[in-house]
Amino acid sequence: GQQVMQIPQYQHVQEGEDFTTYCNSSTTLSNIQWYKQRPGGHPVFLIQLVKSGEVKKQKRLTFQFGEAKKNSSLHITATQTTDVGTYFCAPMKTSYDKVIFGPGTSLSVIP
Amino acid sequence: EAQVTQNPRYLITVTGKKLTVTCSQNMNHEYMSWYRQDPGLGLRQIYYSMNVEVTDKGDVPEGYKVSRKEKRNFPLILESPSPNQTSLYFCASSSSLGESSYEQYFGPGTRLTVT
Repeated sequence: GQQVMQIPQYQHVQEGEDFTTYCNSSTTLSNIQWYKQRPGGHPVFLIQLVKSGEVKKQKRLTFQFGEAKKNSSLHITATQTTDVGTYFCAPMKTSYDKVIFGPGTSLSVIP
Repeated sequence: EAQVTQNPRYLITVTGKKLTVTCSQNMNHEYMSWYRQDPGLGLRQIYYSMNVEVTDKGDVPEGYKVSRKEKRNFPLILESPSPNQTSLYFCASSSSLGESSYEQYFGPGTRLTVT
């Protein structure tokens, strides 16, 4: 079955430092979604990547889809305390009805 | 306001006492799903439904039942809850998933404790 890895599992950064989380799939994907879950909250959709090599930006967040469509990354520039939470990737396959989320990367930001 | 609602938000029950967690969405979404979230294990899909009267197992379906009689509702049923079903449960809905994916909207969660 499909294997999804996310690294790192935890990341503690000083406010203002950059942060990157990586999502790796064992199989080629049709697209990938990213979600953020604040402590005590529910997952909230951030973005979807569809094309090979695609790069999308949302303010300080940069999302990238690998050329082989097997991996993706989320980079946050100059973290703020509002970035605290767990970031999940959700890889999607063609005609794949199940959803498998990555295990998530928990980000802590030290003010 | 577009939303997914779940009830109850918190529930403490005893082993073997049947319970139902309701989920409703007002966005006319075809796809609905239930997840459980446990520390260190992330979000794991329990059951999903592609449309009315169409349901299928996710990765951890044992001990759970679902039904999709109406498009907006997707209740999760625990016929005989056990302590290992103590978890945080999320319902989610989407226009579609797979090759033509749209974002999933999550409910606020139901924290279930089975003693």
